[in-house]
Amino acid sequence: GESVGLHLPTLSVQEGDNSIINCAYSNSASDYFIWYKQESGKGPQFIIDIRSNMDKRQGQRVTVLLNKTVKHLSLQIAATQPGDSAVYFCAEKVRERGATNKLIFGTGTLLAVQP
Amino acid sequence: GAGVSQTPSNKVTEKGKYVELRCDPISGHTALYWYRQSLGQGPEFLIYFQGTGAADDSGLPNDRFFAVRPEGSVSTLKIQRTERGDSAVYLCASSQGQENTEAFFGQGTRLTVV
Repeated sequence: GESVGLHLPTLSVQEGDNSIINCAYSNSASDYFIWYKQESGKGPQFIIDIRSNMDKRQGQRVTVLLNKTVKHLSLQIAATQPGDSAVYFCAEKVRERGATNKLIFGTGTLLAVQP
Repeated sequence: GAGVSQTPSNKVTEKGKYVELRCDPISGHTALYWYRQSLGQGPEFLIYFQGTGAADDSGLPNDRFFAVRPEGSVSTLKIQRTERGDSAVYLCASSQGQENTEAFFGQGTRLTVV
């Protein structure tokens, strides 16, 4: 699969290929990150999360990688399926003035899976 | 219900009118968030409640926007003197309120100001 930065809004992949969606986050003090999937007309759906004390976490067909040095997050989807077609957002939890759970979202990447 | 419920799902109002958007969070979730999403954009933070109090309202764009959560469960987002620029999908999410826990979103309310 083709890797893209957040400034490229669309990623097109063939069914069965692996997809990699990238995200650059803004705040070095962010300590929690979530990937969301949003289908047309629906609210964002939780996919996977990762805490800043980890650099990798795996779920079912998905893996999130965190590189705190360069403030970069990626979502890898194995064996991409047509049902994976959606907009994917990364979100960071910004810690300010003590404990807060405010999530800041990135712009999003549209994943289009071609059958 | 099992998930976050938002009503109405769609709201069309005339410029200058007052609107209220309702959010029913997941039972037992102490944290509640409001976001606004414009077409092609990521959700934009508006306000965050922990229990009954607004822990962070830094995202409210101006004083026409106000939100309450009087009993620590249902929340209402209120918009006065609506403007066409307020048209967007308003999303609500809730979480257990503990640090680093996932937030679950509702389907959103699509507000159109004509």
